[in-house]
Amino acid sequence: EDKVVQSPLSLVVHEGDTVTLNCSYEVTNFRSLLWYKQEKKAPTFLFMLTSSGIEKKSGRLSSILDKKELFSILNITATQTGDSAVYLCAVRPAPGTSYGKLTFGQGTILTVHP
Amino acid sequence: ETGVTQSPTHLIKTRGQQVTLRCSSQSGHNTVSWYQQALGQGPQFIFQYYREEENGRGNFPPRFSGLQFPNYSSELNVNALELDDSALYLCASSLVSSGGSSGANVLTFGAGSRLTVL
Repeated sequence: EDKVVQSPLSLVVHEGDTVTLNCSYEVTNFRSLLWYKQEKKAPTFLFMLTSSGIEKKSGRLSSILDKKELFSILNITATQTGDSAVYLCAVRPAPGTSYGKLTFGQGTILTVHP
Repeated sequence: ETGVTQSPTHLIKTRGQQVTLRCSSQSGHNTVSWYQQALGQGPQFIFQYYREEENGRGNFPPRFSGLQFPNYSSELNVNALELDDSALYLCASSLVSSGGSSGANVLTFGAGSRLTVL
């Protein structure tokens, strides 16, 4: 059974701090790893990673995948209160299985204080 | 372009009752997946619908069923509700090509339906 583990489960920081969120996975047929941000209800897409070692960046957020060690990290620099959310990591199986079947981790709750 | 919309946003049921949740997929998307998110947990895959047929199912009993309509909207039905069914139910849509490939498409999620079973 596919498994995704995120750490830490929760994190409290102050504005301006840099945070690193971790995601490790065990998947039978790996295709891609996705990061989502969930503020109230709807998870919103951040990154999709398919290749090892290639950093994806969007503003203050960046992410990288290591397919050999089976993990990914999500970095947020110069955190703001608006970054407070649950960050979800999910893995997507290879073609031939349900395209919509993502296996999610438990999520990391990030709280940024002013 | 409209996003994924779900209804109702909140509902309360009692044990043993049945519930139907509805989802309109994002414009241009043809595939709908349903997820259950219990409090403090990540979403868990229930099933996916493509071309009006169930196309993959997670570890959920048969009392969880669904439909997809020709306009790609979808329903999730849960019979014989149990207390543990209390959760946020998320619908997500995506585009799968006629060849069956989802390419680089990611899932777009709706805001969910919060179900409380008493």
